[in-house]
Amino acid sequence: TQLLEQSPQFLSIQEGENLTVYCNSSSVFSSLQWYRQEPGEGPVLLVTVVTGGEVKKLKRLTFQFGDARKDSSLHITAAQPGDTGLYLCAGASTSGSRLTFGEGTQLTVNP
Amino acid sequence: DAGVTQSPTHLIKTRGQQVTLRCSPKSGHDTVSWYQQALGQGPQFIFQYYEEEERQRGNFPDRFSGHQFPNYSSELNVNALLLGDSALYLCASSLAVGGYQETQYFGPGTRLLVL
Repeated sequence: TQLLEQSPQFLSIQEGENLTVYCNSSSVFSSLQWYRQEPGEGPVLLVTVVTGGEVKKLKRLTFQFGDARKDSSLHITAAQPGDTGLYLCAGASTSGSRLTFGEGTQLTVNP
Repeated sequence: DAGVTQSPTHLIKTRGQQVTLRCSPKSGHDTVSWYQQALGQGPQFIFQYYEEEERQRGNFPDRFSGHQFPNYSSELNVNALLLGDSALYLCASSLAVGGYQETQYFGPGTRLLVL
């Protein structure tokens, strides 16, 4: 059974601070996706990383896939209140058929 | 370009009842996956439908069943509802390319409350 451990579970910071969320597993994934979810809504895809060591930037968000494709991180620079939400990492199996999700990181950015 | 849609948005049932949830995939997608998300947790994979057949199944009992129609839309049925079935049920669609499922896109979910 593939498992993804996400940390921290909760994060409350002030506007302008930087933060990093980690996603770790003992399993290899063919790709890893990061989603952001608002209360009562479905997860919205932020990025997909496929290649070991890959780094992708989306404005103030930087995503990295580990060399062994077992772990990933999300770094947010100069967080804003609009970044508040539940951040989920999800690993795809070799066929991409099923996603294994982490427990999520609930981020609150205070003005 | 219509995204993934789900109905109903909210549903209240009592223990022992049966429920049917519906999902229409994103235009151009042929595969539908269902996930259960309990409060405060990440989504858990229930099953996936492709070419009108269940292709993969997660660790859910037989009370959970599904169907995919020729137009790629899908239904999730849950029988003999338990209090623990209360959750947000998410549908995700994707496109199968060369035996590989590309990125999954999620609908807004159906919030089920079992009393």
